[in-house]
Amino acid sequence: GESVGLHLPTLSVQEGDNSIINCAYSNSASDYFIWYKQESGKGPQFIIDIRSNMDKRQGQRVTVLLNKTVKHLSLQIAATQPGDSAVYFCAEITNSGYALNFGKGTSLLVTP
Amino acid sequence: SQTIHQWPATLVQPVGSPLSLECTVEGTSNPNLYWYRQAAGRGLQLLFYSVGIGQISSEVPQNLSASRPQDRQFILSSKKLLLSDSGFYLCAWSVSRVGGPGNTIYFGEGSWLTVV
Repeated sequence: GESVGLHLPTLSVQEGDNSIINCAYSNSASDYFIWYKQESGKGPQFIIDIRSNMDKRQGQRVTVLLNKTVKHLSLQIAATQPGDSAVYFCAEITNSGYALNFGKGTSLLVTP
Repeated sequence: SQTIHQWPATLVQPVGSPLSLECTVEGTSNPNLYWYRQAAGRGLQLLFYSVGIGQISSEVPQNLSASRPQDRQFILSSKKLLLSDSGFYLCAWSVSRVGGPGNTIYFGEGSWLTVV
């Protein structure tokens, strides 16, 4: 079946460096993608989204890139801070169009 | 602004006991409502979603059920809990069909369930 997955389960970066978290999706019909951040013991928080008619979208310190040719999604975090330490999930619309399928997540650890 | 509340935040239940988790959304009307489960160290699994009162769609066969007795209330239930039901349960909402302009899914703070 269709699925969303992440290339790396864990990522460790130094404070101030840029972080890149990658995600692969297999449903070529997906047209909406979201990145969430989840801190320990809390619900996921929306970070940024992108529709399939876009290749890039920027937010505050975050950028999402979408490569539809290879079905790849990435989240770039500039000047990573200790507060960015969390698990990051990518998600895509389900076939029903009413909910999201989530990948397993990447744990980002920011070291001083 | 819209807010979402779910409770209880944590609970420990014996195997075979019933379960009821409740979720309410404020500040919007006719939201889509969702229940997700997250097992330890794993991603989020969609359990149920609802596009209106009394309308429930189940994504996976399981020991759980959902109900939507009111527009902004979503309840997750079980008659007899299994050990495998342990996990972090998240209620979520969206304005309408996901993917519309600025329309994403927003999550509550979650409920930790431990079945012993």
